[in-house]
Amino acid sequence: DQQVKQNSPSLSVQEGRISILNCDYTNSMFDYFLWYKKYPAEGPTFLISISSIKDKNEDGRFTVFLNKSAKHLSLHIVPSQPGDSAVYFCAASVGGGNTPLVFGKGTRLSVIA
Amino acid sequence: EPEVTQTPSHQVTQMGQEVILRCVPISNHLYFYWYRQILGQKVEFLVSFYNNEISEKSEIFDDQFSVERPDGSNFTLKIRSTKLEDSAMYFCASSGTGISNYGYTFGSGTRLTVV
Repeated sequence: DQQVKQNSPSLSVQEGRISILNCDYTNSMFDYFLWYKKYPAEGPTFLISISSIKDKNEDGRFTVFLNKSAKHLSLHIVPSQPGDSAVYFCAASVGGGNTPLVFGKGTRLSVIA
Repeated sequence: EPEVTQTPSHQVTQMGQEVILRCVPISNHLYFYWYRQILGQKVEFLVSFYNNEISEKSEIFDDQFSVERPDGSNFTLKIRSTKLEDSAMYFCASSGTGISNYGYTFGSGTRLTVV
């Protein structure tokens, strides 16, 4: 039962270009969404979040877009840098706050210099 | 920057043995969690802990699992009798209260290998 889906297991982007990572969800009760980045041998690192009352949230090079009607969110990284190469996880929760997160399987981003 | 510390980084154990995975959450955080990631699969929620008791747990967290906060700083996950399928990366996380603190801080994980 995949409530959060990241359909692209990998993505390659040239340095300086835009990286777009996609995530779909099925549970309409989800109202808080997060993106995490993970390097090998490290735990996931929080990147950016968005609540369902917004459709966009921006933090520096990272922007998350939420389309509630399509149950779809995306993470844009502009410009992409080699240090952005990592696995990116989409996660969702019901109620925000400190409720459990449901993760997608992740997308491995490779930024090529 | 404050961090969540997990020990050991790698543990190998024989099937049927008990293991205890240890975590030191961020000191002013009030919510504590364990997640796991089986190789090649997604990160899965196991349990959350608040005010010295379990607040939520998943169906994975059966009677073989238990958590404890034995003192003011440590948070442990015990697996009573390990099975081969318990082999995974186990992540501890902590968070503060309120939306402004949302976004857990994860530790680097303990890789558990059951042989």
